[in-house]
Amino acid sequence: QQPVQSPQAVILREGEDAVINCSSSKALYSVHWYRQKHGEAPVFLMILLKGGEQKGHEKISASFNEKKQQSSLYLTASQLSYSGTYFCGTEYRNQGGKLIFGQGTELSVKP
Amino acid sequence: GAVVSQHPSRVICKSGTSVKIECRSLDFQATTMFWYRQFPKQSLMLMATSNEGSKATYEQGVEKDKFLINHASLTLSTLTVTSAHPEDSSFYICSGVQGARNQPQHFGDGTRLSIL
Repeated sequence: QQPVQSPQAVILREGEDAVINCSSSKALYSVHWYRQKHGEAPVFLMILLKGGEQKGHEKISASFNEKKQQSSLYLTASQLSYSGTYFCGTEYRNQGGKLIFGQGTELSVKP
Repeated sequence: GAVVSQHPSRVICKSGTSVKIECRSLDFQATTMFWYRQFPKQSLMLMATSNEGSKATYEQGVEKDKFLINHASLTLSTLTVTSAHPEDSSFYICSGVQGARNQPQHFGDGTRLSIL
């Protein structure tokens, strides 16, 4: 069951904020966030394991709701380097670490 | 740290050729490696999971005789696309995970395969 990401695309000006959501129809074991630039490998951002968890730092952070069915990635005061496609990877219990990735959110930060 | 090297980065070959893609974890031991396929502007679709020394587990719809995976050591996994055809053209990308669960997947730079 592929998680649903929203929005599909977002265009920002430098300094603006963005939120990317990732939803699952059933409770997750964990959620991973990655950023991929065109033609490159995805780069790991963070993992969330616990319901109600929030982690990250001032600029890029994420949350995992209590029911462990939704995660949000927060990008604050965006920089040009934030441009890329963001994927959430969801892991269900007893799946041996296998991730199912959402369809991605394309983020473009303009000067 | 946690670097995964994937080679070759690009392959162009004729229909019917078999192509081998290597994925190496350079500074960690990857107990599990994953192979994905990605079409332009689309998500990463898991093809198979491989654990060192055991047979790969393929996702539904992925032909195991077409996509041969070998995970001979804790630092090397290979994907061989046998008798490749134009519809096999895609971006193939591997990832490695060290140790227990709850660890990030570290991705290789991918291989762009073009079959003429």
